[in-house]
Amino acid sequence: GAGVSQSPSNKVTEKGKDVELRCDPISGHTALYWYRQSLGQGLEFLIYFQGNSAPDKSGLPSDRFSAERTGGSVSTLTIQRTQQEDSAVYLCASSPLAGYYEQYFGPGTRLTVT
Amino acid sequence: GENVEQHPSTLSVQEGDSAVIKCTYSDSASNYFPWYKQELGKRPQLIIDIRSNVGEKKDQRIAVTLNKTAKHFSLHITETQPEDSAVYFCAASRSGGGADGLTFGKGTHLIIQP
Repeated sequence: GAGVSQSPSNKVTEKGKDVELRCDPISGHTALYWYRQSLGQGLEFLIYFQGNSAPDKSGLPSDRFSAERTGGSVSTLTIQRTQQEDSAVYLCASSPLAGYYEQYFGPGTRLTVT
Repeated sequence: GENVEQHPSTLSVQEGDSAVIKCTYSDSASNYFPWYKQELGKRPQLIIDIRSNVGEKKDQRIAVTLNKTAKHFSLHITETQPEDSAVYFCAASRSGGGADGLTFGKGTHLIIQP
């Protein structure tokens, strides 16, 4: 079946602009995660959704970052007033349920802030 | 919060030899330890995981060991093959990778020399 998909695959934006990243999880997966991978670094956990609810937003790097999920499916990560340090690959993952299940990752969105 | 340290950052072994990657974690409440493999330009994929109630788990050429007292866990790959070349990430979670997501190490670049 179809895996996790993300769009766009690449995004180049100017400093100060807003960007919106989209994630389509595997159908039926209730848990959805966002991570950020900077060059040469591990994956940094940003936020988790169970259904449409994100119980803890403290992993978001700053108040310029926000995320939502609708219909228990598609999720968007929005970055306002982008900064150069926001440049990274943003990965989305989903799993059937939260906890002890494999997280299936999408291909990522490479964000470059110039 | 949780902190995961991973060593070495780069590991080069001869084809057919064994490879060992080690990780330490800081949160004694962590109870789930997965390993993900990321080939160049591809998304991370789960290769093996272990829960805190188990000391060792094997899957063909791959094994993971966990020492809860010392708070460290290791990945062992035997009879290495060229297709094992990739970046390997260890991770830890106190919720099975649920609400607190996964805290990843910075990765080990495994190079299999022919």
